Amino acid sequence: GNSVTQMEGPVTLSEEAFLTINCTYTATGYPSLFWYVQYPGEGLQLLLKATKADDKGSNKGFEATYRKETTSFHLEKGSVQVSDSAVYFCALSENGNKLVFGAGTILRVKS
Amino acid sequence: GAVVSQHPSRVICKSGTSVKIECRSLDFQATTMFWYRQFPKQSLMLMATSNEGSKATYEQGVEKDKFLINHASLTLSTLTVTSAHPEDSSFYICSARSGAGGSSYEQYFGPGTRLTVT
Repeated sequence: GNSVTQMEGPVTLSEEAFLTINCTYTATGYPSLFWYVQYPGEGLQLLLKATKADDKGSNKGFEATYRKETTSFHLEKGSVQVSDSAVYFCALSENGNKLVFGAGTILRVKS
Repeated sequence: GAVVSQHPSRVICKSGTSVKIECRSLDFQATTMFWYRQFPKQSLMLMATSNEGSKATYEQGVEKDKFLINHASLTLSTLTVTSAHPEDSSFYICSARSGAGGSSYEQYFGPGTRLTVT
């Protein structure tokens, strides 16, 4: 079945550091890929998405590119802020149906 | 943006009792709602999918008689944990989707409900 694997955390960075959170997936077809963010005490929010190979999703300085050849959707940001501290979830969905989530990666940014 | 609320945010109940969790879409009509369970330091696991006015579809391994889901209106779905036991203690999260096609595939998530069974 479909699955998502993302790097374990927590990831601790200093402000303005470069961020990469790895995500790889296994799917039978051609899924859409997502990154969700969960800030403390809040629900999950869609951060960005990509629906087909080579698409790049971007939002709030975060980017991820749908790489079919490596079945990856790594999340990157050039300069993180303290306010980016949250839990990040990679997920996939086939045909708009149920979401399959990775385990989540805690990001802590120190000032 | 679309807002989904959950009530209560935290609940403590005694073993053997039942507890109901509500999920509401506040500013849109949700034809489909999803219920997830999240264990500490683990991912969200889909429990069931409910479409307004029809029976919920449960994922493999989820007891439908224990986790009763009702999606009686386009803005409300409820999850009732019946005869709760300590192993049911978890973080329950709902999400809602407005319909099929385009951006309406996006799910909007509630803030979650922390259930503790003593």
